[in-house]
Amino acid sequence: GQQLNQSPQSMFIQEGEDVSMNCTSSSIFNTWLWYKQEPGEGPVLLIALYKAGELTSNGRLTAQFGITRKDSFLNISASIPSDVGIYFCAGIIQGAQKLVFGQGTRLTINP
Amino acid sequence: NAGVTQTPKFQVLKTGQSMTLQCAQDMNHNSMYWYRQDPGMGLRLIYYSASEGTTDKGEVPNGYNVSRLNKREFSLRLESAAPSQTSVYFCASRATGGYSPLHFGNGTRLTVT
Repeated sequence: GQQLNQSPQSMFIQEGEDVSMNCTSSSIFNTWLWYKQEPGEGPVLLIALYKAGELTSNGRLTAQFGITRKDSFLNISASIPSDVGIYFCAGIIQGAQKLVFGQGTRLTINP
Repeated sequence: NAGVTQTPKFQVLKTGQSMTLQCAQDMNHNSMYWYRQDPGMGLRLIYYSASEGTTDKGEVPNGYNVSRLNKREFSLRLESAAPSQTSVYFCASRATGGYSPLHFGNGTRLTVT
């Protein structure tokens, strides 16, 4: 089945640094989604991307839908302590009922 | 809006016991999903229901059954719990049509001893 390779698996950064993570696949996706999960909670949608080449921002977060439709990245600028959590990418193939998830990137921030 | 509500939040079972995890959504979504999350394994799909009256297996269905009770509710049953089913379980829903995202509940943390 389809797989998403998400990297890095974990990041340890200083407060104020920028963060970048990405997902790649051998399959073409029609939608890319980025979620954040905080301890004890379910994943929450951050950004949805629906068009190849699309660049979308949500505050300090910016995500892009790769032009080949096989990859996506998420950037966080000027990280703050509340950015701590696990970030997941997910892809949807045209007509599919199921989403494919990456393995997650665990972000830890040192104040 | 409550969104997706899961009960219970925590549960401890002994091997061989049975239980049902409940999920309800108030967003009028057609599709509902059950995932499990284990350390280092990400989210794995157990079962899903594309619409009321239908259910389908996901990646890891063995040891589970589901019931789509109505449009709002989708339950997950463990008939004979095993330690390998210790996990955090998430219910999610989405509108069908287009490429709508999943909306998740806050999870049920299950421990099987």
